[in-house]
Amino acid sequence: QKEVEQDPGPLSVPEGAIVSLNCTYSNSAFQYFMWYRQYSRKGPELLMYTYSSGNKEDGRFTAQVDKSSKYISLFIRDSQPSDSATYLCAMRYTGGGNKLTFGTGTQLKVEL
Amino acid sequence: GAGVSQTPSNKVTEKGKYVELRCDPISGHTALYWYRQSLGQGPEFLIYFQGTGAADDSGLPNDRFFAVRPEGSVSTLKIQRTERGDSAVYLCASGRAVGTEAFFGQGTRLTVV
Repeated sequence: QKEVEQDPGPLSVPEGAIVSLNCTYSNSAFQYFMWYRQYSRKGPELLMYTYSSGNKEDGRFTAQVDKSSKYISLFIRDSQPSDSATYLCAMRYTGGGNKLTFGTGTQLKVEL
Repeated sequence: GAGVSQTPSNKVTEKGKYVELRCDPISGHTALYWYRQSLGQGPEFLIYFQGTGAADDSGLPNDRFFAVRPEGSVSTLKIQRTERGDSAVYLCASGRAVGTEAFFGQGTRLTVV
């Protein structure tokens, strides 16, 4: 079993929809949680960075962390075709440098 | 440059050959990381440097893989006796310090034929 599980999709939604992306993990030592966006043939780009449990909002993006359930989510409101990309969750534990453990990524397509 | 630069962007090599992949981090960034991303997978950690020294190389798959960062800036990932299973995108990232946000380059797509 992988330390971080993420549904690979693909997920297709109409423009303007609310998108929900999720990851589960098994290592309770993870304390820092991130969401990256990766366009085709590009490197990952950091979208959201959260420490421990709670919510964080940035524009159309909201990240949620539930450590008791070992479950993290990314919500995208008013989705746009430009949001079409692969979304990767990543996490690390305190003292782990920046050694990130990634999910497999969810491929999202927002259609006109 | 403004971002992390990786060269070459694409590399095709024959099985058994030696390859070097280069990473130019963002100027002033002391932390540098190498990840490998296979098709349909998330990036997998290989090694990270704090300055010139490899602080954690636990992700290197075997002794055919080696990385250096002799002057604390540019890093080279070296792969000996390449195998078809080494085919992947090799990503480099840098950060101001260990534990701060890491910025990724576009990667080197390595294909071993």
